[in-house]
Amino acid sequence: AQSVSQHNHHVILSEAASLELGCNYSYGGTVNLFWYVQYPGQHLQLLLKYFSGDPLVKGIKGFEAEFIKSKFSFNLRKPSVQWSDTAEYFCAVNPMYSGGGADGLTFGKGTHLIIQP
Amino acid sequence: DVKVTQSSRYLVKRTGEKVFLECVQDMDHENMFWYRQDPGLGLRLIYFSYDVKMKEKGDIPEGYSVSREKKERFSLILESASTNQTSMYLCASSLGSINEQFFGPGTRLTVL
Repeated sequence: AQSVSQHNHHVILSEAASLELGCNYSYGGTVNLFWYVQYPGQHLQLLLKYFSGDPLVKGIKGFEAEFIKSKFSFNLRKPSVQWSDTAEYFCAVNPMYSGGGADGLTFGKGTHLIIQP
Repeated sequence: DVKVTQSSRYLVKRTGEKVFLECVQDMDHENMFWYRQDPGLGLRLIYFSYDVKMKEKGDIPEGYSVSREKKERFSLILESASTNQTSMYLCASSLGSINEQFFGPGTRLTVL
């Protein structure tokens, strides 16, 4: 079964610092990749997704992620974080099986990001 | 906007009780999913469904069952609740099997 690894469980940054959250997955075939965010007290929402094409994808609120197939990675980045970015971030993978079907998402364990004013 | 609603935000049950968690989506999505979210473990897939009356086991189906009698509704059933099922339960739906999933607000279940 596929797995998703998020390198950092807790990250603390100051406002305006740059952010990079690591994500690696174990599936060797074609995948769809996602980053979800959960703000305090709110439901999970999609930040960005990669299905195919340009490996650098842009999402909401200034976030972007780069798919590097050779490294099985999909790291999330933001050049300058804000206090409102405090949240839990989840990387997720949806493998594409040869039969054309797909499965539910496999999530990483999450990264709790705290931005200090 | 896609809306996924869950019947309760908070639920407290006793060990051995039968528990029903309901989920409804309003966008005619084919696929629906149940996850549980635990601190330090992320989200884990319990069951999913690609069509009415169809279900597939996820990664942690033990102790759970599901029902999908109508396209818009997907129920998670705990036949005999146990304390290790205390968790946040998230429902999600998607248009196709490879599309992004939209999540509900979650039900925080406590089993005493």
